[in-house]
Amino acid sequence: DSGVTQTPKHLITATGQRVTLRCSPRSGDLSVYWYQQSLDQGLQFLIQYYNGEERAKGNILERFSAQQFPDLHSELNLSSLELGDSALYFCASSVRRWDSSGANVLTFGAGSRLTVL
Amino acid sequence: AQTVTQSQPEMSVQEAETVTLSCTYDTSESDYYLFWYKQPPSRQMILVIRQEAYKQQNATENRFSVNFQKAAKSFSLKISDSQLGDAAMYFCAYRREGNTPLVFGKGTRLSVIA
Repeated sequence: DSGVTQTPKHLITATGQRVTLRCSPRSGDLSVYWYQQSLDQGLQFLIQYYNGEERAKGNILERFSAQQFPDLHSELNLSSLELGDSALYFCASSVRRWDSSGANVLTFGAGSRLTVL
Repeated sequence: AQTVTQSQPEMSVQEAETVTLSCTYDTSESDYYLFWYKQPPSRQMILVIRQEAYKQQNATENRFSVNFQKAAKSFSLKISDSQLGDAAMYFCAYRREGNTPLVFGKGTRLSVIA
């Protein structure tokens, strides 16, 4: 167990629908990152939050949005889903509030597998 | 923008042998970090090894070691005494100094032959 919790593990939905993926970072980590991994592809960076504020934005579609809440958990909202949105969505966290020694290592959750039919 | 290139989509190695996975990157930064992550069939992303660019000494973690050539912007992973459990996708990743995202290569699928 990496300490990063993602729910749901699997999700099947239809085109045009909206889903929310949830991530709880490792205890004390302030930064949360979202990545998308399509079938047999590398990980594409979507967005990063640090202590509730958006920090960096990658290749995130306008149909997608995210936020980080005061308790540091994060949600990724995907709307008007298309077949091409089917992928594994990873959350990762880093930057511990009390310990900077591991600041440059991202710890990943197990991912949420989204299937759009 | 920084890019990471893994030129070997697939590699195979005999059990107990040694294999080297290649990675090159492009950056104009002088301070950065490089990583190798392993993704087994479970799809979990597992950190294998990391290298700080300011360190000349190559990182090692048990059977895993890197060959970091900063001038050539090359960062290869050597796996010694390969085991069946090493079979996985391996991703090379780059991160700028500071609280920044990882940039990943497209990965190399490693098969281990018994």
